[in-house]
Amino acid sequence: DAGVIQSPRHEVTEMGQEVTLRCKPISGHDYLFWYRQTMMRGLELLIYFNNNVPIDDSGMPEDRFSAKMPNASFSTLKIQPSEPRDSAVYFCASKVSGGGQPQHFGDGTRLSIL
Amino acid sequence: SQQGEEDPQALSIQEGENATMNCSYKTSINNLQWYRQNSGRGLVHLILIRSNEREKHSGRLRVTLDTSKKSSSLLITASRAADTASYFCATDASGGSYIPTFGRGTSLIVHP
Repeated sequence: DAGVIQSPRHEVTEMGQEVTLRCKPISGHDYLFWYRQTMMRGLELLIYFNNNVPIDDSGMPEDRFSAKMPNASFSTLKIQPSEPRDSAVYFCASKVSGGGQPQHFGDGTRLSIL
Repeated sequence: SQQGEEDPQALSIQEGENATMNCSYKTSINNLQWYRQNSGRGLVHLILIRSNEREKHSGRLRVTLDTSKKSSSLLITASRAADTASYFCATDASGGSYIPTFGRGTSLIVHP
């Protein structure tokens, strides 16, 4: 079975550029999460969706960050304009509803903003 | 703020030894889960323990939960070099939305 698929795996771009990260969750999963991982701050929850609807975006750091889920099989996280402090590994995860259900993570996008 | 905090931050042992990691959390929970993250990869779910359980086993993994102390431990017995990874606990708060909150992780190195 295919797991959570993220693209690209690596992204290097200059500050000020728009960055779009993509995620395909596991089919049948109704929750989708976006995380950011850095050495300094650990794993931070940015936003999560339930049935394609954003439920909690309180972790989104600034208005420069936006996320969409146009359908059950696709989500994007966009940073515009990007800044060097956005450099991190961004993970997407999905799960089925219910307490104790495990999250399934993609292998992340390593983002470097120069 | 993060609900779960793992201790120690880093652990270095020899192959064959046991590794114990601890997780402390602040509020009442429904469930606690442990995940592993290999270098350059996403987190992988290892084991779930519910708030009404005290101990759970899965292969070489043993998890305990003490709700009175708001803490859990993960024991890996007879460790192998392949166990080298970061280990995270994740809790979902009771009365909440079953959205897990992760700690910062314990980095385990197992020397062959």
